[in-house]
Amino acid sequence: DIQMTQSPSTLSASIGDRVTITCRASQSISSWLAWYQQKPGKAPKLLIYKASSLETGVPSRFSGSGSGTEFTLTISSLQPDDFATYYCQQYNDYWTFGQGTKVEIK
Amino acid sequence: QVQLVESGGGVVQPGGSLRLSCAASGFTFNNYAMHWVRQAPGKGLEWLAFIRYDGSNQYYADSVKGRFTISRDNSKNTVYLQMNSLRVEDRAVYYCAKRYGSGSVGPSYFDYWGQGTLVTVSS
Repeated sequence: DIQMTQSPSTLSASIGDRVTITCRASQSISSWLAWYQQKPGKAPKLLIYKASSLETGVPSRFSGSGSGTEFTLTISSLQPDDFATYYCQQYNDYWTFGQGTKVEIK
Repeated sequence: QVQLVESGGGVVQPGGSLRLSCAASGFTFNNYAMHWVRQAPGKGLEWLAFIRYDGSNQYYADSVKGRFTISRDNSKNTVYLQMNSLRVEDRAVYYCAKRYGSGSVGPSYFDYWGQGTLVTVSS
């Protein structure tokens, strides 16, 4: 089974900060990685697919990069609407999520 | 627009059974594979089950294999999750999610999710 490990688990940041979340796979997943945003009491929302492709309608301040086993999600300038929990997901071999990264207000 | 609406959650005793439904609209349901994912209170997302667009193949997470069964009725645009031998640790919000891309060729992620239905297992 492919394990996904995100870091950090919690991140405190201010409006306008550049934020980076890392996701590591236990084996190579090529670029078969997605990122989701989840707010309390809501369903996850797709942000990024195939490691770096931005889903339609997602603000351009979100970007993804990486391939193989190491990936990052970057928010270039944190906005009030971005305080949420973020999950990576591999879809190379079945489907596995990272444990999540909560982005909190500093 | 795509809509996925789960129902069937509730309170059940350990060892009991429950069937969840997910009604789909806004897309050609019989062209798309579907998934079930759950989230225990305060925890992360756990993929549970997959069913091919035509129902011919299903895959399960080890945590539910042999206890849960995914099925679909394309005439009703609905996917189901039959949950048997429920345990306290199955308590979670259960989401259905749509596979991006029709058919079943190649890796794919989830592009739409329902709002979830809460299952509580308690005596």
